[in-house]
Amino acid sequence: ETGVTQTPRHLVMGMTNKKSLKCEQHLGHNAMYWYKQSAKKPLELMFVYNFKEQTENNSVPSRFSPECPNSSHLFLHLHTLQPEDSALYLCASSHGARQPQHFGDGTRLSIL
Amino acid sequence: TQLLEQSPQFLSIQEGENLTVYCNSSSVFSSLQWYRQEPGEGPVLLVTVVTGGEVKKLKRLTFQFGDARKDSSLHITAAQPGDTGLYLCAGPVTTDSWGKLQFGAGTQVVVTP
Repeated sequence: ETGVTQTPRHLVMGMTNKKSLKCEQHLGHNAMYWYKQSAKKPLELMFVYNFKEQTENNSVPSRFSPECPNSSHLFLHLHTLQPEDSALYLCASSHGARQPQHFGDGTRLSIL
Repeated sequence: TQLLEQSPQFLSIQEGENLTVYCNSSSVFSSLQWYRQEPGEGPVLLVTVVTGGEVKKLKRLTFQFGDARKDSSLHITAAQPGDTGLYLCAGPVTTDSWGKLQFGAGTQVVVTP
């Protein structure tokens, strides 16, 4: 039990589909993050939310749309994705800036 | 950009052997974190090193932060199959007010029985 739960664990979708990834943290943290992990590349930070407010959008294409309704929940809405978007998407949370991050187990996304 | 370079990219050893992985940068970091990511799971924090020259031990794992705070190493003594995983180092980006983490690409360690 990591304290950060991601669903679904695996997702296969076509390029025209719309789907959402969900993340929930039970640690009382105020910051939540979305990362993209591709083989042999560093984790790429996509979005940061602090107390539900987006503080970072790391030049992510608009086909990825985050939503943070409260400090415990984070969503990543997906639409019209490309094959190069196939990757492991990780959610993390922390008490605040520069603090160690607690990760979920990720959603393995495959775009057909 | 404060890049973190990890080496080697891949390491395969037999149970009982020792290994060292490295995390290097041309930039100074206020601290560095080490994570281990096992197959099918997210990264899990192992340790944070803060002071230049600091050495921290976690059972058979020894972490060292360079004196100049630009590099770090992880040494595993008498590796076990349970040590298999992707080892990631990460440090806060000092130019960012939020202090977001910069990750290295990781070292994949495989320990065979």
